[in-house]
Amino acid sequence: DAGITQSPRHKVTETGTPVTLRCHQTENHRYMYWYRQDPGHGLRLIHYSYGVKDTDKGEVSDGYSVSRSKTEDFLLTLESATSSQTSVYFCAIKGQGPQFEAFFGQGTRLTVV
Amino acid sequence: DAKTTQPPSMDCAEGRAANLPCNHSTISGNEYVYWYRQIHSQGPQYIIHGLKNNETNEMASLIITEDRKSSTLILPHATLRDTAVYYCIVRFQGAQKLVFGQGTRLTINP
Repeated sequence: DAGITQSPRHKVTETGTPVTLRCHQTENHRYMYWYRQDPGHGLRLIHYSYGVKDTDKGEVSDGYSVSRSKTEDFLLTLESATSSQTSVYFCAIKGQGPQFEAFFGQGTRLTVV
Repeated sequence: DAKTTQPPSMDCAEGRAANLPCNHSTISGNEYVYWYRQIHSQGPQYIIHGLKNNETNEMASLIITEDRKSSTLILPHATLRDTAVYYCIVRFQGAQKLVFGQGTRLTINP
């Protein structure tokens, strides 16, 4: 599992509340990613990070913010959760080799009611 | 990154070779072909990648046509555990993110 832990694994929250998902890695990888997966859309990149305090937007970044204050932690925040953000969220890290071998966490199932 | 086209679903009998096609007709010279798979509810898993030569590892073989406009992922002896969604991804050399398409849902039948 390349030392990736996502927390929580499941969460139910109410519309309008803030939610933070955490991705923790133990292997000092530089690149970390947040994806969401919905039926009919496959995996879509939300944000990614290429180092501490260095982040960039993906294809579906609206309504999400991220922070990376330590190499090992990449946080995804929904400032005001909406029902459209109900999804499964996957964190990933890029391995150290020259090829793009990404390792994914087990996912967080978020339900916004 | 170049766009990829994959069939939405395929079936294969257990023990037979599963051949998954991918079309990437607009691929450029600096773009690699990657394959990942996602077994039900799990995060995607890297399988193999290549530029222009055929590649083989312990999981699969990747055959890329000479013009690089298409490729085939081969699982030589498919098992029930190979049932998954398989994603073909084209990535520009140096790009630091992966963009997933819809993939092919492969079902291995006993």
